Amino acid sequence: AQTVTQSQPEMSVQEAETVTLSCTYDTSESDYYLFWYKQPPSRQMILVIRQEAYKQQNATENRFSVNFQKAAKSFSLKISDSQLGDAAMYFCAYRSASGTASKLTFGTGTRLQVTL
Amino acid sequence: GAVVSQHPSWVICKSGTSVKIECRSLDFQATTMFWYRQFPKQSLMLMATSNEGSKATYEQGVEKDKFLINHASLTLSTLTVTSAHPEDSSFYICSATLSRAASYEQYFGPGTRLTVT
Repeated sequence: AQTVTQSQPEMSVQEAETVTLSCTYDTSESDYYLFWYKQPPSRQMILVIRQEAYKQQNATENRFSVNFQKAAKSFSLKISDSQLGDAAMYFCAYRSASGTASKLTFGTGTRLQVTL
Repeated sequence: GAVVSQHPSWVICKSGTSVKIECRSLDFQATTMFWYRQFPKQSLMLMATSNEGSKATYEQGVEKDKFLINHASLTLSTLTVTSAHPEDSSFYICSATLSRAASYEQYFGPGTRLTVT
């Protein structure tokens, strides 16, 4: 079974600064998808960024980018120019690309605080 | 993007009663829907996967007879918590997707807070 580990329960960043959230995962599969989801106080899950394992290029979405190290099974999220609205819980998630196992496996989450 | 709604957003029920939560895909047909449970300050735990017109597949440790899932149409799945008890109090989130294939996005509903008194 796949596991996703987020070792940072809480992180803090000053507005306009950069912060990196860590995520590692364990799998024996070669083809899969990785995601970062944001859950603000409203608790609505919002997709931040997605990475396909067969793509070597790191995904980017505006101020959000990932550092995907497939051999190390590491998938960190970098938030640049942090804004107050970035404050939320961030969940790393894994999804197999094979067969019909399309469910998401989530990490335990990292709570990000953004300070002035 | 695709929109998924849940109803109700918050429900309070008495111990021993049953409560039904609806999950609807508003602008697309969802062949597969997922139900998650989230305790305070914790992650999402998958409870079950439901495909339209077939029985739900439950995760290990989830009681099928307690958490009844029905996916009667391509736009609606329901979760019924039967004989609810205080320990069933939690935040329940559904997600929906066009296809079980991993390349298809899962769209999340806003969640339902269940409080059992």
